[in-house]
Amino acid sequence: DAKTTQPPSMDCAEGRAANLPCNHSTISGNEYVYWYRQIHSQGPQYIIHGLKNNETNEMASLIITEDRKSSTLILPHATLRDTAVYYCIAPLGDYKLSFGAGTTVTVRA
Amino acid sequence: DTAVSQTPKYLVTQMGNDKSIKCEQNLGHDTMYWYKQDSKKFLKIMFSYNNKELIINETVPNRFSPKSPDKAHLNLHINSLELGDSAVYFCASSLAGSGDTQYFGPGTRLTVL
Repeated sequence: DAKTTQPPSMDCAEGRAANLPCNHSTISGNEYVYWYRQIHSQGPQYIIHGLKNNETNEMASLIITEDRKSSTLILPHATLRDTAVYYCIAPLGDYKLSFGAGTTVTVRA
Repeated sequence: DTAVSQTPKYLVTQMGNDKSIKCEQNLGHDTMYWYKQDSKKFLKIMFSYNNKELIINETVPNRFSPKSPDKAHLNLHINSLELGDSAVYFCASSLAGSGDTQYFGPGTRLTVL
């Protein structure tokens, strides 16, 4: 897996957008960027993934820079239920996901 | 319908015992995984099976033995349990492997006394 770097924590106000950055400067051309999150004591949950183009689904948007060295996960309207640890992962043709420490996001009312 | 299920959800046992954790997925996926999350909260891959064949074994003590009776099931058997085995164990599955999206079960919290 390419090495990814995320801030350890961030706060967000309920109803506001949460922008979670991830650096992956060593990513190779065919590595996707995946985002998962883990809400307290639950199994990790897939959020979104992308290669080059920006992606959007019902949960979030993923913005990938043109050089692919970084990306931003956007939760458009954060709710208290979005409080979780968010993981940015770049698995290269690999059967395993290497989870780092992730970013602990706390959404405050 | 539960996509990836695990039993039991909680398991408390004494050192030296043998225990099993079961995992089932109804997604029709070919690949299944076991991850361990210790007290420091880091998630680490333990094993991966693709179509009942072991493809990843991440330097896990041989007291841990995965068994895949069919591609919808991947069970984890642990012999001679030790205090350090206390953790949350997550099962996951993916359509094939190689970077496919993985879907996780709810976890089994194992406590060894």
